[in-house]
Amino acid sequence: QQQVKQSPQSLIVQKGGIPIINCAYENTAFDYFPWYQQFPGKGPALLIAIRPDVSEKKEGRFTISFNKSAKQFSLHIMDSQPGDSATYFCAASIGGTYKYIFGTGTRLKVLA
Amino acid sequence: DVKVTQSSRYLVKRTGEKVFLECVQDMDHENMFWYRQDPGLGLRLIYFSYDVKMKEKGDIPEGYSVSREKKERFSLILESASTNQTSMYLCASSGRGNSPLHFGNGTRLTVT
Repeated sequence: QQQVKQSPQSLIVQKGGIPIINCAYENTAFDYFPWYQQFPGKGPALLIAIRPDVSEKKEGRFTISFNKSAKQFSLHIMDSQPGDSATYFCAASIGGTYKYIFGTGTRLKVLA
Repeated sequence: DVKVTQSSRYLVKRTGEKVFLECVQDMDHENMFWYRQDPGLGLRLIYFSYDVKMKEKGDIPEGYSVSREKKERFSLILESASTNQTSMYLCASSGRGNSPLHFGNGTRLTVT
């Protein structure tokens, strides 16, 4: 119930492609869904986040789509660039509990 | 910008040694966290602290303890290091409620 399942484990796309990373959860008490981006040798950094009262959020080339009934959310990267090559983690938390549950990560490689 | 600083990037210790991992944050955040990152397992919470001298166990606390004597500093202690504790350790901090996690760049610990 506390898991967040992330797929795929790895992804290779051509420059300009639209990689999509998917996450699914069971616990309906989760109310905050962030995505983190991690470059080699660095800690994860917040990329974009969404709450379940909206179905989509865009920030630049990054979009989160949220399907509350299916308990799924996904990250889309528009016009992907080689500089987007990184590991992406989805996460979920329950407000006030300080505790985040992370997905297992997706290693993205964007080919030039 | 929030800065979370971990004292060591790389650490090599012997089995049975007592190991201290130190973390300092400069944003007066209430919450601090220690995660462990392993390939295919994502980020798993070891311990977190929501106030000075307060701590709570995360998902994998066995073999670890923590100390928070000052608000800005959170230490992870491996009482008797074992080879299965070889991993990347990430410290993070956050403000109140569902505010984002800010991560340090990690300490890669090898126990031989």
